[in-house]
Amino acid sequence: LAKTTQPISMDSYEGQEVNITCSHNNIATNDYITWYQQFPSQGPRFIIQGYKTKVTNEVASLFIPADRKSSTLSLPRVSLSDTAVYYCLVEGTGRRALTFGSGTRLQVQP
Amino acid sequence: DAEITQSPRHKITETGRQVTLACHQTWNHNNMFWYRQDLGHGLRLIHYSYGVQDTNKGEVSDGYSVSRSNTEDLPLTLESAASSQTSVYFCASSVGTGGPYEQYFGPGTRLTVT
Repeated sequence: LAKTTQPISMDSYEGQEVNITCSHNNIATNDYITWYQQFPSQGPRFIIQGYKTKVTNEVASLFIPADRKSSTLSLPRVSLSDTAVYYCLVEGTGRRALTFGSGTRLQVQP
Repeated sequence: DAEITQSPRHKITETGRQVTLACHQTWNHNNMFWYRQDLGHGLRLIHYSYGVQDTNKGEVSDGYSVSRSNTEDLPLTLESAASSQTSVYFCASSVGTGGPYEQYFGPGTRLTVT
């Protein structure tokens, strides 16, 4: 399984754009990049998933360069409610379970 | 609405006792998973199931067991609870084959072993 590396923590202010980068040097051809968000005392929640280039949904954007060895989760105009831990995962096709790292703890200040 | 529930939400037990944590999902998902999360850490996979009568060990399966007798439920049993098993336990489910698919997580069970 591809190992991921992401910053332990980040700080931001309300209204700013936040970019969290994840490194996955050993990503395999069939692997996808997925991000989950976890609030305190809750289970993780799926945010976005992508394979290459750019994916955007109502919550975030995911940027994946051509070599796919890293990816960047972009949260536009964060609010206090975006304070959470964000996990970057690499997973292949099939039914495999997820491998979570330690995640990035994002703290949004007023 | 379809959902995934866990019970109990909080449990205190003594060392050596057998404990069963329940997980129930109403999405009719084939895949179900159990993770544990220790303070300040990510989730680690305990056991998982790809369908009825199918169970598989995860990275931290020692001391735990599961059984899958129907699509909706995957109970997790701690055979003889130990203090090292004090943790928050999350159940998750995802739809069938072909993936990768989004996993839906339950609210968690906080287990304390004294």
